[in-house]
Amino acid sequence: NAGVTQTPKFRVLKTGQSMTLLCAQDMNHEYMYWYRQDPGMGLRLIHYSVGEGTTAKGEVPDGYNVSRLKKQNFLLGLESAAPSQTSVYFCASSYTGDAEAFFGQGTRLTVV
Amino acid sequence: QKEVEQDPGPLSVPEGAIVSLNCTYSNSAFQYFMWYRQYSRKGPELLMYTYSSGNKEDGRFTAQVDKSSKYISLFIRDSQPSDSATYLCAMSGVQGAQKLVFGQGTRLTINP
Repeated sequence: NAGVTQTPKFRVLKTGQSMTLLCAQDMNHEYMYWYRQDPGMGLRLIHYSVGEGTTAKGEVPDGYNVSRLKKQNFLLGLESAAPSQTSVYFCASSYTGDAEAFFGQGTRLTVV
Repeated sequence: QKEVEQDPGPLSVPEGAIVSLNCTYSNSAFQYFMWYRQYSRKGPELLMYTYSSGNKEDGRFTAQVDKSSKYISLFIRDSQPSDSATYLCAMSGVQGAQKLVFGQGTRLTINP
């Protein structure tokens, strides 16, 4: 049972570089989310999607873009990475917005 | 003021102690209440899920919801070193809500 899979698990970027984080879920969930988790800040919602082809801004969307071209995949892009984007990124999916959210294992991103 | 408040701790107790973890919230529309457990370097996993007010018990864990006080609790009886983790509360409003609102998380250590 794969559940929610994030790729890659670790990445080091130089300031100004771009990258895409991939999230894949095999539970046929409509809702998908991208969070970042920083020490002392808890989980902060970056962007989310309520279905294929839809995206919406969360609490901290600046500097990130997302796409949901296929129901099972949710991509998070950083166009020009900044040190402030050093964080652990979690993807999650759920059947509905108030149901249990299933999380991936996280991506540790360091921007130098 | 945040919609959900949770003391980040850290909280350290001896093995076998009863642990009480709490969250307060301001949105009276919340109906669904959850507790997630997050081990170090892992994604959060659902521990308890309750609807509206009342208690729910699962083994050594009990979740309580007091909607009149806008206060939820998680009790851990006979705590074990394997319970050492960060515990996050999460909640959601009426059906049709698009996302969960998470507390900051409380870091708990159970000392042998």
